Amino acid sequence: AQSVAQPEDQVNVAEGNPLTVKCTYSVSGNPYLFWYVQYPNRGLQFLLKYITGDNLVKGSYGFEAEFNKSQTSFHLKKPSALVSDSALYFCAVRPESGSARQLTFGSGTQLTVLP
Amino acid sequence: DTAVSQTPKYLVTQMGNDKSIKCEQNLGHDTMYWYKQDSKKFLKIMFSYNNKELIINETVPNRFSPKSPDKAHLNLHINSLELGDSAVYFCASSQWGLYSSTDTQYFGPGTRLTVL
Repeated sequence: AQSVAQPEDQVNVAEGNPLTVKCTYSVSGNPYLFWYVQYPNRGLQFLLKYITGDNLVKGSYGFEAEFNKSQTSFHLKKPSALVSDSALYFCAVRPESGSARQLTFGSGTQLTVLP
Repeated sequence: DTAVSQTPKYLVTQMGNDKSIKCEQNLGHDTMYWYKQDSKKFLKIMFSYNNKELIINETVPNRFSPKSPDKAHLNLHINSLELGDSAVYFCASSQWGLYSSTDTQYFGPGTRLTVL
């Protein structure tokens, strides 16, 4: 069975500093990896995904994520955090193929960017 | 233009009642999903429909019954509501290609269900 771990419930960072939100995964075969963001009282918004190819994936709002196969990680990063980045971030994984292709989400990481 | 919409946004009801949540997507996707987000923000898939056929049915009480009248709609009917059903329910849609790289799910705004 596939799984996702987001080891930090809460990440605090000062505005202008780089941020990292961690994610590790477990899946049979090749992974498709996703990051979503949820603002208060809103639905999840797609940020970026890794399917294949370049290990560094660029997404919306200046976010990027690095796929590391040996460490089974897909950490979300941004060089300079904004207060408006404060939100709940979810990592998700699904196998590349097979019948069980539903997304499995991590438990979420609350990012707070301090002014 | 709203891509994935849900109604109602808020739903407050008594234990034992039956209620429905509606979902519509105008993205032309062929697959729709229902997720439940609990009070700890944990997100878990409940159902998925592809071209009006059920393809994912996680361990969910049979009081929950999805209905897909067409590819653009997936409604969730809940019978005999219980206190533990209180949560936020999200609808999502995607295009389910065999090896498609476009299989990104797009979420609705959520329906906050409160059972009293």
